[in-house]
Amino acid sequence: DIQMTQSPSSLSASVGDRVTITCRASQGIRNDLGWYQQKPGKAPKRLIYAASSLQSGVPSRFSGSGSGTEFTLTISSLQPEDFATYYCLQHNSYPKTFGQGTKVEIK
Amino acid sequence: QVQLVQSGAEVKKPGASVKVSCKASGYTFTSYDINWVRQATGQGLEWMGWMNPNSGNTGYAQKFQGRVTMTRNTSISTAYMELSSLRSEDTAVYYCARVSMVRGGIGGIDYWGQGTLVTVSS
Repeated sequence: DIQMTQSPSSLSASVGDRVTITCRASQGIRNDLGWYQQKPGKAPKRLIYAASSLQSGVPSRFSGSGSGTEFTLTISSLQPEDFATYYCLQHNSYPKTFGQGTKVEIK
Repeated sequence: QVQLVQSGAEVKKPGASVKVSCKASGYTFTSYDINWVRQATGQGLEWMGWMNPNSGNTGYAQKFQGRVTMTRNTSISTAYMELSSLRSEDTAVYYCARVSMVRGGIGGIDYWGQGTLVTVSS
């Protein structure tokens, strides 16, 4: 199975801050990676697909980069509605695997 | 618009089975795989398996092999996930999710159901 190591597990940031979250795959997964945002009591929502493509309707302050084994989700200027938990998901091979999640909290 | 609407919350006793439904609308049900993902309270997301609604073919994570069955009824665009021999550790929110098409790949998840809470308690 491909292991996805996500870091940090949590972070505190202020509105307007630039935030970066990383996922590392235990083996190369091309660009078969998505990023998801989840708010309490809600289903996850996809932000980024194919590692760097912005999902329709998602604000442009979200961006993704990377290929192979190292991937990054960046929020260029954190907004109040961005406080949530973020997950990466690899879909290069079965079983699909998620990162452990990053909780973004208000500083 | 794509919608996945799941059945309501369930409370089950240890050893029992639960069957969760997921009704799809807004797209051609048989054209996209369905995945099932679960999330225990305060925990991360755990992928359980996939189903091709057209063929009925399935694949399950090793952890759930022998306990999970994913099926569908194409006439009503509904997918089902049945989990047997329930134990307290199976208490979680269960999500169905649609898989986006990817050329030459197995596809990521693009749309999610609202989730179904399954509580296992004696």
